[in-house]
Amino acid sequence: SQQGEEDPQALSIQEGENATMNCSYKTSINNLQWYRQNSGRGLVHLILIRSNEREKHSGRLRVTLDTSKKSSSLLITASRAADTASYFCATDVGVKETSGSRLTFGEGTQLTVNP
Amino acid sequence: DAGITQSPRHKVTETGTPVTLRCHQTENHRYMYWYRQDPGHGLRLIHYSYGVKDTDKGEVSDGYSVSRSKTEDFLLTLESATSSQTSVYFCAISWGPGPRGYTFGSGTRLTVV
Repeated sequence: SQQGEEDPQALSIQEGENATMNCSYKTSINNLQWYRQNSGRGLVHLILIRSNEREKHSGRLRVTLDTSKKSSSLLITASRAADTASYFCATDVGVKETSGSRLTFGEGTQLTVNP
Repeated sequence: DAGITQSPRHKVTETGTPVTLRCHQTENHRYMYWYRQDPGHGLRLIHYSYGVKDTDKGEVSDGYSVSRSKTEDFLLTLESATSSQTSVYFCAISWGPGPRGYTFGSGTRLTVV
């Protein structure tokens, strides 16, 4: 089963509104990452939050992490039509010095921002 | 996507035939990954590599093999394609091993008929 699960599966809002997506996971993590995927394209890394961080900002993005609840949220403020995409959380459960990290992805939230 | 290319972009193949997908990077990243993306499953890790000739299995490795004979190329082979391997395949790269984001290729859409 997937380590990360996003909620909701789909979200439709008007331009200018804020969009909040949630991610829950099952095991302890080293870090959690959020990615965006436009239709027919590869994933694009948005932001990484480490397990000892509670909140992180990048432009219009705000990510929170609650390790006690094993959950994270991604907030996009003042959304634009160009933000329409699928958003995925990915968890990194550990880093091996030789074989590195391996990300486990959730199924994603489809965000539609209507003009 | 800058520095990482996948080929082919689209492929239709028949059941039972071998298929090789290529991931090429110009970033000199040590770590490379193959994922497949299917509706209802998100992205699932097939195989990954942490150096030339160093590879390991992911969660859905059955029916797939990989090779990495040089830093820039990571090949994914479907030994005998089945309809269940119809999917979109993504390659990703990372500096690693510390906490870093991945850079993804544009994907290969594979259809097995």
